[in-house]
Amino acid sequence: EAGVTQFPSHSVIEKGQTVTLRCDPISGHDNLYWYRRVMGKEIKFLLHFVKESKQDESGMPNNRFLAERTGGTYSTLKVQPAELEDSGVYFCASSRAGKGTDTQYFGPGTRLTVL
Amino acid sequence: AQSVTQPDIHITVSEGASLELRCNYSYGATPYLFWYVQSPGQGLQLLLKYFSGDTLVQGIKGFEAEFKRSQSSFNLRKPSVHWSDAAEYFCAVGATGTYKYIFGTGTRLKVLA
Repeated sequence: EAGVTQFPSHSVIEKGQTVTLRCDPISGHDNLYWYRRVMGKEIKFLLHFVKESKQDESGMPNNRFLAERTGGTYSTLKVQPAELEDSGVYFCASSRAGKGTDTQYFGPGTRLTVL
Repeated sequence: AQSVTQPDIHITVSEGASLELRCNYSYGATPYLFWYVQSPGQGLQLLLKYFSGDTLVQGIKGFEAEFKRSQSSFNLRKPSVHWSDAAEYFCAVGATGTYKYIFGTGTRLKVLA
């Protein structure tokens, strides 16, 4: 089966611009997660979808970040306007169940650079 | 507070040598433990996981990890490292009733020929 895919793999934008990241989870996985890794730091949870509903967005840094999951399939993460501190690698993951015992399958990440 | 510590940011070993990557966690509930690897240009790949039972867990690519509750550790080991093992390794913890993973900062492994 196809894994989690993310697009684009890299994005370089200027401060103040808008960027939209996309994630396609594994087919049949109702749970979708976004994580972020700022350079040199740990990978941190951003938010969790169950189908099209946001279950937890406690990790979202601020209101410049907007995540959607239309129809419960793919998800987008929009940053508007981007700031320098938003640079990092954004990972998407999916799982069948939203439990701590359930394996989350990760995509390759999108490396975002804000200049 | 819940946390995962990977004390070694970088490790260099010679090909064929043994490897141990350290991971310590701080978690009040029963932890579920994971090791992921990220090779250049690739996503995070699950190496192994521990939920319960035998505290020595076997994973893919010849890796194993041992859960030691008394030491709050889940160290990753491999008896003989191959050049293709050069990558970044992440330890993570999940728990009953949660869905978030908490990750360590990662250990970057370099393998010398």
